[in-house]
Amino acid sequence: GAGVSQSPSNKVTEKGKDVELRCDPISGHTALYWYRQSLGQGLEFLIYFQGNSAPDKSGLPSDRFSAERTGGSVSTLTIQRTQQEDSAVYLCASSFSEGGSQPQHFGDGTRLSIL
Amino acid sequence: AQSVAQPEDQVNVAEGNPLTVKCTYSVSGNPYLFWYVQYPNRGLQFLLKYITGDNLVKGSYGFEAEFNKSQTSFHLKKPSALVSDSALYFCAVRDGWGGKLIFGQGTELSVKP
Repeated sequence: GAGVSQSPSNKVTEKGKDVELRCDPISGHTALYWYRQSLGQGLEFLIYFQGNSAPDKSGLPSDRFSAERTGGSVSTLTIQRTQQEDSAVYLCASSFSEGGSQPQHFGDGTRLSIL
Repeated sequence: AQSVAQPEDQVNVAEGNPLTVKCTYSVSGNPYLFWYVQYPNRGLQFLLKYITGDNLVKGSYGFEAEFNKSQTSFHLKKPSALVSDSALYFCAVRDGWGGKLIFGQGTELSVKP
């Protein structure tokens, strides 16, 4: 596809369940970023991948959050034992390279609601 | 640490009038600055960036931004607003070699006919 693709677009789950969010970046983009958007906290960085490695995980809020990237392409963000404060829109972005001047291109996000 | 601030939660403009959405930054070194727009239930769309060079940067949809080093500002402007410009606007600064973005809190732009 032409843009960053995220799935599912919406996810409703019960507190305590695990969820997986998927991101398919723009073809050829080596850098991939996860952000979280919530009313109280605004837009927050979570984690960044260059290829399959994650040099910066500093934004992950707790050890319940993890992410991986395989084949230098698709990434999955996993939240274990979900809590109500995890409710937010999770946005994925990709860019042609890390750093530099390349803009990040965003997907439409996954809206996560924890009941 | 790098940061940006958007001092206005909301900006209201009449269609056809010029618009300005304000952003100030605090960085060590030379800033890489970006503007993004977000429509309801959509991701962020890139509008323009300042890396180096001319202080007036032109971007998508007729938007431009002026980089002012002495005032540490990067205000977004458009000469003539459209109703379709109504959206949430974010200013951002690139942080570190990895390129993660630090965002302002966002400004809701409302353009009325």
